[in-house]
Amino acid sequence: AQSVAQPEDQVNVAEGNPLTVKCTYSVSGNPYLFWYVQYPNRGLQFLLKYITGDNLVKGSYGFEAEFNKSQTSFHLKKPSALVSDSALYFCAVRPPGGGGFKTIFGAGTRLFVKA
Amino acid sequence: DGGITQSPKYLFRKEGQNVTLSCEQNLNHDAMYWYRQDPGQGLRLIYYSQIVNDFQKGDIAEGYSVSREKKESFPLTVTSAQKNPTAFYLCASSTSVQETQYFGPGTRLLVL
Repeated sequence: AQSVAQPEDQVNVAEGNPLTVKCTYSVSGNPYLFWYVQYPNRGLQFLLKYITGDNLVKGSYGFEAEFNKSQTSFHLKKPSALVSDSALYFCAVRPPGGGGFKTIFGAGTRLFVKA
Repeated sequence: DGGITQSPKYLFRKEGQNVTLSCEQNLNHDAMYWYRQDPGQGLRLIYYSQIVNDFQKGDIAEGYSVSREKKESFPLTVTSAQKNPTAFYLCASSTSVQETQYFGPGTRLLVL
């Protein structure tokens, strides 16, 4: 079955330190990969996506993500965390194909950045 | 949250009552979606629509209904058949089903 895993329920990091939020997926073919962020009682905000090309994708608010095909991973990274980055982060995968409407979301990882 | 609005922000449902959640977008997007979010479970697709007057069931459509009479509107009705409706409901839209989805601010549904 196709799936997305975010192995950490919560990630804690000190302000100014680099952060990584992990995502692995189990989807055949070459899927589209996404990261979204959600602040309390708000909708999801799009951060970045990977379709093809350079394995390092840059997105909004200084975030970037690294695609690794052999490990089927798409980890979200930021060189220097801010307290305002504290939020819930979702990895999402859309399988390839003509009927590729269905985006599969991970369960989410809560990022807590301590001042 | 872009050009997608959802109303109300909070909604209370009584037993046996149908309630309707509104979703409107001014992005000229063809595709629209409804998701349900429960703690620790990510998002689950309820219904989606690729074009006006067409919609398809997602993974958890039972107890829900939708309509797509206008391009900019995709209301979701939570019927009395949905026995566990308490959740955060998110509407999204995209230029097509292959493109990035953009989300509204959500509606929290609570049962009295």
